[in-house]
Amino acid sequence: AQSVTQLDSQVPVFEEAPVELRCNYSSSVSVYLFWYVQYPNQGLQLLLKYLSGSTLVKGINGFEAEFNKSQTSFHLRKPSVHISDTAEYFCAVRGIYNFNKFYFGSGTKLNVKP
Amino acid sequence: DTEVTQTPKHLVMGMTNKKSLKCEQHMGHRAMYWYKQKAKKPPELMFVYSYEKLSINESVPSRFSPECPNSSLLNLHLHALQPEDSALYLCASSQGRLAGGTDTQYFGPGTRLTVL
Repeated sequence: AQSVTQLDSQVPVFEEAPVELRCNYSSSVSVYLFWYVQYPNQGLQLLLKYLSGSTLVKGINGFEAEFNKSQTSFHLRKPSVHISDTAEYFCAVRGIYNFNKFYFGSGTKLNVKP
Repeated sequence: DTEVTQTPKHLVMGMTNKKSLKCEQHMGHRAMYWYKQKAKKPPELMFVYSYEKLSINESVPSRFSPECPNSSLLNLHLHALQPEDSALYLCASSQGRLAGGTDTQYFGPGTRLTVL
């Protein structure tokens, strides 16, 4: 079965500093990976996705993620964060046998301080 | 356009009330989803409709009743809810099985439900 682990429940960082949010997945077959962001009192917004091809994926708002098959990771990075990036970030893997099922990580709260 | 709309934005109901949540998308998507999200937790899948037919029910109590009147609309009928059902209810849509490996879910803003 597929699953994802987000190792950090909270990540505090100062404005303009770089940040990395970690995500590890477990799957013995090909995976489809996603990062979503959820701002307070809002729904989930797709940041980026890895389906195939280049392992470095660029998303919206200056975020990027690197798919690493050997380390079973899909970490999210941004070189310089803004106060407005404060939000909850969810990593997700889509089911192989049932494309309709997404398996979400527990989430990482990014707290950007001035 | 990747917009999924949900109404109402907020809903307060008593345990004996009957209410409905609505979700709409005009992206031509053929799969639609209901999720429940409690505070500081990831979304939990409740139901999936594929081509207007219920394809997944994650053992949700019968006090939640989904309906998909057409390919653009998804409803969630609520009856005799409990206070522990208070949560953010999220709707999502995706192209469906014909998209195969590229299928991606797009979420609405959610309905904040409070059961008194």
